[in-house]
Amino acid sequence: DTAVSQTPKYLVTQMGNDKSIKCEQNLGHDTMYWYKQDSKKFLKIMFSYNNKELIINETVPNRFSPKSPDKAHLNLHINSLELGDSAVYFCASSATDLYEQYFGPGTRLTVT
Amino acid sequence: KQEVTQIPAALSVPEGENLVLNCSFTDSAIYNLQWFRQDPGKGLTSLLLIQSSQREQTSGRLNASLDKSSGRSTLYIAASQPGDSATYLCAVSLFSGGYNKLIFGAGTRLAVHP
Repeated sequence: DTAVSQTPKYLVTQMGNDKSIKCEQNLGHDTMYWYKQDSKKFLKIMFSYNNKELIINETVPNRFSPKSPDKAHLNLHINSLELGDSAVYFCASSATDLYEQYFGPGTRLTVT
Repeated sequence: KQEVTQIPAALSVPEGENLVLNCSFTDSAIYNLQWFRQDPGKGLTSLLLIQSSQREQTSGRLNASLDKSSGRSTLYIAASQPGDSATYLCAVSLFSGGYNKLIFGAGTRLAVHP
């Protein structure tokens, strides 16, 4: 059973488009996260939700909008995609923000 | 501002060697420290989590130590195998704005050759 899953795995799109990435966890965790891993493989947190409430919002362009319809799901919508948005986006979850985080397989976004 | 540094950036060793990967962080006020493994094109797999009150954790051939006062952690891999080849990431949990978040190092890319 996949603990943290993301769709799609690959996403290729043109500049200016709007796209969404979905994440689901079946671990019963309360906290979920979005991370961005850039071309230099550096991993940085973008957002965190606890029980559907936004608790961490790093300095991310407002073209990025996370949404958590319920505790098990956290989606990321990106408007007006730019070349610099090309990266691998990882979803993660943990019991609370104090505990071990479990990561999804990542979504490789390529903006052309 | 918390910064996490991992040394070396890359390491290539023959099978069977014992290895030490280093992680240092600038702010000792961490809640915990987590070591991850990332295989090419894959997600992260959690290896070990050390709470700030602990000195070390062990799992199989892996042993991670934490010296919070000096801002250092090491990941020791015993009797390395080709299957250990991956990027190893260190992350510290930083309390900010009422919540904890992970700050990652850039990783150590390990290649173990037969």
